Amino acid sequence: SQQGEEDPQALSIQEGENATMNCSYKTSINNLQWYRQNSGRGLVHLILIRSNEREKHSGRLRVTLDTSKKSSSLLITASRAADTASYFCATDVYAGNNRKLIWGLGTSLAVNP
Amino acid sequence: GAGVSQSPRYKVAKRGQDVALRCDPISGHVSLFWYQQALGQGPEFLTYFQNEAQLDKSGLPSDRFFAERPEGSVSTLKIQRTQQEDSAVYLCASSFSRRSSYEQYFGPGTRLTVT
Repeated sequence: SQQGEEDPQALSIQEGENATMNCSYKTSINNLQWYRQNSGRGLVHLILIRSNEREKHSGRLRVTLDTSKKSSSLLITASRAADTASYFCATDVYAGNNRKLIWGLGTSLAVNP
Repeated sequence: GAGVSQSPRYKVAKRGQDVALRCDPISGHVSLFWYQQALGQGPEFLTYFQNEAQLDKSGLPSDRFFAERPEGSVSTLKIQRTQQEDSAVYLCASSFSRRSSYEQYFGPGTRLTVT
């Protein structure tokens, strides 16, 4: 079952512009992770934000988390053609005695040169 | 190792055939996960190993699906009597942490097509 819903489903921008993707989820989380997937490199971890954090930066990436609204956003600044990929949020939730990642449907980003 | 590897990369099976998909995790990684990803969807959790112990198999869609990791390194996902709805990309991921939800490193996937 999918937990996260990314918004928008697809996004097309010009190189140099910023791209913002949103993720909403339903249940309490331990942390939230963003991953990128393209045909060349498969799924790659980008950034992890814990439930007690509100904002995190990594290079051109900025992630925010609002646990009261159960939502997160991923901002990519000064986008490049190489950023073209699908972006997924994954929420770390308790499942019985274990924890697991529950994935959203993804946002497809196209950065046009 | 250089990363998580999976084989085969592509598999075409006739309906009713059994298949075995292999995953070689990063050396020393304790946790290993299998996911199923349908076209245009996010990965769906299948099962989780910590070393050789299968701690969570709640995502396996039916008893035709079976996974093992007998020596705590290489893992095999077996699908018996394949059906068309089994067509998907099967992803393997490993993690250094014993906690199942830290950063995961993914293999390239095996694309299974059942005809």
